[in-house]
Formats: sequence, structure tokens, C-alpha cells
Amino acid sequence: GENVEQHPSTLSVQEGDSAVIKCTYSDSASNYFPWYKQELGKGPQLIIDIRSNVGEKKDQRIAVTLNKTAKHFSLHITETQPEDSAVYFCAASMDSSYKLIFGSGTRLLVRP
Amino acid sequence: KAGVTQTPRYLIKTRGQQVTLSCSPISGHRSVSWYQQTPGQGLQFLFEYFSETQRNKGNFPGRFSGRQFSNSRSEMNVSTLELGDSALYLCASSLASSFSTDTQYFGPGTRLTVL
Repeated sequence: GENVEQHPSTLSVQEGDSAVIKCTYSDSASNYFPWYKQELGKGPQLIIDIRSNVGEKKDQRIAVTLNKTAKHFSLHITETQPEDSAVYFCAASMDSSYKLIFGSGTRLLVRP
Repeated sequence: KAGVTQTPRYLIKTRGQQVTLSCSPISGHRSVSWYQQTPGQGLQFLFEYFSETQRNKGNFPGRFSGRQFSNSRSEMNVSTLELGDSALYLCASSLASSFSTDTQYFGPGTRLTVL
């Protein structure tokens, strides 16, 4: 069945460094890939998303890349700040499924 | 614009009871999805509704059900509660104006504890 694997499960970086989180999806029909940030006691918040007709998308310090051939997509956060500390989830979806398949999450800690 | 709202935020029930959770989507959004979040299983899809019709359902027992009203508000019900139903239940809404996946916006969740 559909599956999304996410690595690493935890990531600790120094403030100002970059952070990279990687995901792999199993169903080649997947064509929508959002990333969510979840802070303690809150629901997931969309931070960036990409569709399969685009290879890369950037929004200030955040970027997502997609490799359809390898079925990989990655989140890149540059110039990390302590407020970036949270759990990040990748997800995948396909047309007419109306559901998101989530990765297992990455706990990011940015050390001041 | 107000975000997705969920009520109640916290709920404590005992085994065997039933519970109803409520979700109000962002104004203008017609699709509502429900997810269960647990430390062990992560975020899992429960079901999705659009124009009062369930379009997809996840792999959960029949004790989990939902519905959507004509104003797009949605409720989910869990009957005969089990300890393993303790979780954060998240609702997400989207425009869903076509067959493709629209951006889903999540509410803060309802934390259900089953004793």
C-alpha cells in the first residue's frame, strides 16, 4: 500500500546552520507533497508544498526539492533559528484519493 | 479569516462509552478530513467528506464514523471506546474544488483520553 518514509527521526543543529529532512514515497501516482510543522499542543501547520510538475520550490529560508524518478522529496531549512524547533512531517497524496499519507515525523532541535 | 476550529479541545472518557467530536472548517472550504495522531502510529487518515458525502475512508474499524452537514461542518463519532483510541484527533479543511488534492489546513485537534 501507500507508504511514506521520513528520515531522520531527530535532528539537532546549531543556530544558523542548515537542516535537511528527507522523505521517500512508494506510490508513483503521488503528485502532491506538502510539509507541515507541528509545535507542542498545536495542529500541523503547512509550511510549503510542491506538485509533481515542479522540481523545486522556495519560500524565504525554506525550500523543497522533488525527484520523481527516485520518488524522493526533501525539505531544506537554511539559517535555522531556535523558533524552527518543532516536529516536521512530510506527506504525499494523489488525485482523487482526498487523503494525505504522512511520514513518521522529524523532531528538529535548533541549539542557540 | 478564522481557521479550522475543533471542539472540545480536551475530552476524558471511560472504556465502552461513545464520543462525538466537532469540526468547523475555514469559511468557504467544502472538504473536511479527519486524522488520528498517536505516538506509535503517527498521523493516520480516518475519512474525508465533501458536500455531505464520504469520498474516502481509512483503515479504521466501523466504530469510527463521521458525517458532514450542509454548512460543511463535520462531526466524527467513536463508539464503544477502547484504551487504544486515546489520541489527538485532527480535522483539516480544504477547498477541494476539483479532483486534485488541495492544500489542507489543520485545526488544533481534540485530545481524547480513554480511561
